[in-house]
Amino acid sequence: DAGVTQSPTHLIKTRGQQVTLRCSPKSGHDTVSWYQQALGQGPQFIFQYYEEEERQRGNFPDRFSGHQFPNYSSELNVNALLLGDSALYLCASSLGKGGYEQYFGPGTRLTVT
Amino acid sequence: SQQGEEDPQALSIQEGENATMNCSYKTSINNLQWYRQNSGRGLVHLILIRSNEREKHSGRLRVTLDTSKKSSSLLITASRAADTASYFCATAPYNFNKFYFGSGTKLNVKP
Repeated sequence: DAGVTQSPTHLIKTRGQQVTLRCSPKSGHDTVSWYQQALGQGPQFIFQYYEEEERQRGNFPDRFSGHQFPNYSSELNVNALLLGDSALYLCASSLGKGGYEQYFGPGTRLTVT
Repeated sequence: SQQGEEDPQALSIQEGENATMNCSYKTSINNLQWYRQNSGRGLVHLILIRSNEREKHSGRLRVTLDTSKKSSSLLITASRAADTASYFCATAPYNFNKFYFGSGTKLNVKP
């Protein structure tokens, strides 16, 4: 039973560039949430996708956008990268909308120079 | 803010001792979850406790929830060096499926 997978593992980008991160949920899960974790901090909720729609959103600017595909996998896109976007980006999958336990992927470490 | 806050920020104990960390939150919740994170990688789900539950056990883990005080505690008994990690509580408000994490407790278990 495959867990949550994310790609790439590491990424280095320059300010102003755009980046796309990918996530495949745990088998049987239909909901994907994205989090940003700065060094030494807890994860901050970016948004959640369920049934291919953004259902919840945290306090992040429109530069952060996403997509969910019919197979439940998801992408996180960040435009016009800032130095402050450097962080570990975590994807979590769960079943349904009811606050069930989330399974996290290993994360993508994004460095913006 | 719904955000949970863990206390203490850091904890250092000897192998075999018990470790207790606390979490406080601000508004009503549907459930509260504890996660472990090793070396800045993905989070591992430890235990979920619902708002109508007061205590749950899982192996060496014991979680309590006091909704009147808006607080929870995680007890790890007979700690091992492998328990060294950061521990986070995450709260889920009613009718929303997004989680609010605190800044975590960094636990160091010395062999």
